[in-house]
Amino acid sequence: EAGVTQFPSHSVIEKGQTVTLRCDPISGHDNLYWYRRVMGKEIKFLLHFVKESKQDESGMPNNRFLAERTGGTYSTLKVQPAELEDSGVYFCASSLTAGAYNEQFFGPGTRLTVL
Amino acid sequence: AQSVTQPDIHITVSEGASLELRCNYSYGATPYLFWYVQSPGQGLQLLLKYFSGDTLVQGIKGFEAEFKRSQSSFNLRKPSVHWSDAAEYFCAVSGQAGTALIFGKGTTLSVSS
Repeated sequence: EAGVTQFPSHSVIEKGQTVTLRCDPISGHDNLYWYRRVMGKEIKFLLHFVKESKQDESGMPNNRFLAERTGGTYSTLKVQPAELEDSGVYFCASSLTAGAYNEQFFGPGTRLTVL
Repeated sequence: AQSVTQPDIHITVSEGASLELRCNYSYGATPYLFWYVQSPGQGLQLLLKYFSGDTLVQGIKGFEAEFKRSQSSFNLRKPSVHWSDAAEYFCAVSGQAGTALIFGKGTTLSVSS
């Protein structure tokens, strides 16, 4: 069974440009999460989808970030326009159902560098 | 505020020696505690978790962790470290609803021969 996959693995862009990150969860997992790790800091929660609906987006830093999960399968996270402080590693995770008892499986992350 | 503290940023252990990685948490409700490991180029992998019951939990790869409520700690241990254990280790906490995991900053483990 394939794990959580993320594309691209690395992205280097100029300040002010747009970048779209993609996450493919494990097949059948209704729950999809985005996290971000800024260098030297903790991994921080961004948002949680249940199927195509945003269940919790309390961690989204500002309106330059737009997450979508059309059709309840893969998800995209768009940053527009990108700022220097957006640099970091963006992780996606998925779980079969929500709740602490259900393991979140993580992808390898996308390393975003904004110059 | 809810938070997780991993006081050690980097630890070096000799192969075959024992290991203890520290984790302290602050959480207002009943905590659900996790340890994840990330090897280079890989996603975070769950090592073990604690929800309730026996405060000593066993995980994969020979790891164990002990929950101490009085000390708000959930330290990770391994009796004999292997070179393949070199990685970054994250402690995390969540509530029963368990959506957003709250992570510590991570501890990087190096293993010397």
